[in-house]
Amino acid sequence: GNSVTQMEGPVTLSEEAFLTINCTYTATGYPSLFWYVQYPGEGLQLLLKATKADDKGSNKGFEATYRKETTSFHLEKGSVQVSDSAVYFCALSDPTSGTYKYIFGTGTRLKVLA
Amino acid sequence: DAGVTQSPTHLIKTRGQQVTLRCSPISGHKSVSWYQQVLGQGPQFIFQYYEKEERGRGNFPDRFSARQFPNYSSELNVNALLLGDSALYLCASSLSAGQGYNEQFFGPGTRLTVL
Repeated sequence: GNSVTQMEGPVTLSEEAFLTINCTYTATGYPSLFWYVQYPGEGLQLLLKATKADDKGSNKGFEATYRKETTSFHLEKGSVQVSDSAVYFCALSDPTSGTYKYIFGTGTRLKVLA
Repeated sequence: DAGVTQSPTHLIKTRGQQVTLRCSPISGHKSVSWYQQVLGQGPQFIFQYYEKEERGRGNFPDRFSARQFPNYSSELNVNALLLGDSALYLCASSLSAGQGYNEQFFGPGTRLTVL
């Protein structure tokens, strides 16, 4: 079935370091891909999305490119801040059954040190 | 505009009890989905409703049920609670169902603890 695999955390970085969080997916169709962020005690906030191959989603300095050939959607940021500390979830929309439910990865915790 | 709202924020129940969680979608959104997020895991899909009809169900037992009202708000009911039902329950709304590019907007969640 469809699935999302994320790199395990936690990821600990110093402020202004470069960030990469790996995400790969398995899907039978042509899913849309999403990155969500969850701050402590809160729900999920959409960070960025890409709806077709080679699309690049970007927001708040974060970027991710939909790579169909490698079935990947890695999240990157050039210079992280302490305020970026959170849990990041990669997700795909499942085109089966007409529901387009989201399938999430297990999440990657990011801790940025000042 | 108000985002997705959920009530209550926190809930403590004992095994065997029943619970009802509530969700109000963003104005104009007609689809509501429910997810269960166990501590340390990603959210797992429970239900999706669109125009008051169930459009999808995840791999959850029949103890879980839901409905959507004419104003598009929704309730999630869980009967015969088990310890393993302890989780953050997230509601998400979207404009419609069935289009993969329509992002879902999540509420803050209801934290359910079963003792």
